[in-house]
Amino acid sequence: GQQVMQIPQYQHVQEGEDFTTYCNSSTTLSNIQWYKQRPGGHPVFLIQLVKSGEVKKQKRLTFQFGEAKKNSSLHITATQTTDVGTYFCAGHFGNEKLTFGTGTRLTIIP
Amino acid sequence: NAGVTQTPKFRVLKTGQSMTLLCAQDMNHEYMYWYRQDPGMGLRLIHYSVGEGTTAKGEVPDGYNVSRLKKQNFLLGLESAAPSQTSVYFCASTGHRSQYFGPGTRLLVL
Repeated sequence: GQQVMQIPQYQHVQEGEDFTTYCNSSTTLSNIQWYKQRPGGHPVFLIQLVKSGEVKKQKRLTFQFGEAKKNSSLHITATQTTDVGTYFCAGHFGNEKLTFGTGTRLTIIP
Repeated sequence: NAGVTQTPKFRVLKTGQSMTLLCAQDMNHEYMYWYRQDPGMGLRLIHYSVGEGTTAKGEVPDGYNVSRLKKQNFLLGLESAAPSQTSVYFCASTGHRSQYFGPGTRLLVL
C-alpha cells in the first residue's frame, strides 16, 4: 500500500539547537502537508507543499518538497520551548485520502 | 464558528458494549474523516466520507461502522467493543486544502 515513512520517531534537543524531521514515500505524492500536535491536543495544519523542489518558510520553520515529490523535510532553527510537540507529514497520492507519517516527537531540554 | 466538535471527550467501555462517537462540523465541508491514533502508529484512517450519504473504508475499518446522514455530521459506531479499540479517535473535515481536526475522543475498552 501507499505509505509515508517519517524519521526520527523521537528527537530531544537543547533549547536553541536546530531540529529536522524527514518524510519519505516510495511513490510520487500529489502534495504533502505538515501538521503539529501539541501534547494532549489535536493535529493542527502548518503548511502544504505542491510543487517539485518547493521551499516555504514560516518564521523559524523551513519546509522542503523534494524534486521527485517523494520526500519532504521540516527544519526548525533555534528551537524554543513552544516548539514542543509531535510533527506529522501527510501526503496525498492523487485521491481524497491523506496518508500520515508516524510522526516525530520533539522534546526541548531547557 | 465552533469548527469540528466531537462527543464524548472520554468514555470507558466494557468488552462487547457498543457506542457511537459523534462528529459535527459547521464549515460546510464535503469531506469528513475518522482516524485513530495509537502510540508510535501515527494517525490511521478508519472510514471517510466525500459527501452526505456516502462512506468509504480507510486503512483500518474492521470493527467500525459509519454514517453520514447529514452533511455536518459523521458518526462512528462500535458494535461490539474490543480492548484493541482502546485509542484516541479524531474526526476531521477538509477545507480547500487542509484538514481541520476535532479535539478527539479518548476511548478505553476494558
